[in-house]
Amino acid sequence: KNEVEQSPQNLTAQEGEFITINCSYSVGISALHWLQQHPGGGIVSLFMLSSGKKKHGRLIATINIQEKHSSLHITASHPRDSAVYICAVYDTDKLIFGTGTRLQVFP
Amino acid sequence: EAGVAQSPRYKIIEKRQSVAFWCNPISGHATLYWYQQILGQGPKLLIQFQNNGVVDDSQLPKDRFSAERLKGVDSTLKIQPAKLEDSAVYLCASSSSANYGYTFGSGTRLTVV
Repeated sequence: KNEVEQSPQNLTAQEGEFITINCSYSVGISALHWLQQHPGGGIVSLFMLSSGKKKHGRLIATINIQEKHSSLHITASHPRDSAVYICAVYDTDKLIFGTGTRLQVFP
Repeated sequence: EAGVAQSPRYKIIEKRQSVAFWCNPISGHATLYWYQQILGQGPKLLIQFQNNGVVDDSQLPKDRFSAERLKGVDSTLKIQPAKLEDSAVYLCASSSSANYGYTFGSGTRLTVV
């Protein structure tokens, strides 16, 4: 079993829909990272959080340390949001990645 | 600030050939990471440098992979000889302190044929 599990693995949506991507982890962590990876490989950091909730534009990330769970929400989704979203957790001295959620938003 | 620079963006080589990738981290970032990301998987750490010293290279296949960061700034990752299973995206990342505030490069997509 992977230490970081994401669901769903693949997600399709119509433009404007509200999207939720979930991340569960089994290790003790100091912080959790949500990353966005576009075709071609480059990774962009969206959020790093260790408690509560963060918001940036149409993106919202929440974390529940007790339940070892985090969610990434996208409001009013747009085709340019199409990408792979990766959850990664800091476990003492290393970053552990989930396998990612591939999101496709159609016009 | 300028991001993490990587080159080349794409590389196609035949098996048993050699290849090298280059990474220039964000200025002042002491920690540099090389990751291998095989299609459909999350990135896997190959090696972590703190300045010019190696912190973690436990998952680096040392019989064929090598990496250096001679002056504590830019870094090169080499594969010699390449195998088909080395086909992946190789990502470089840097952070100002270990495990905090990662910035990733655009990656090098390697195809071994």
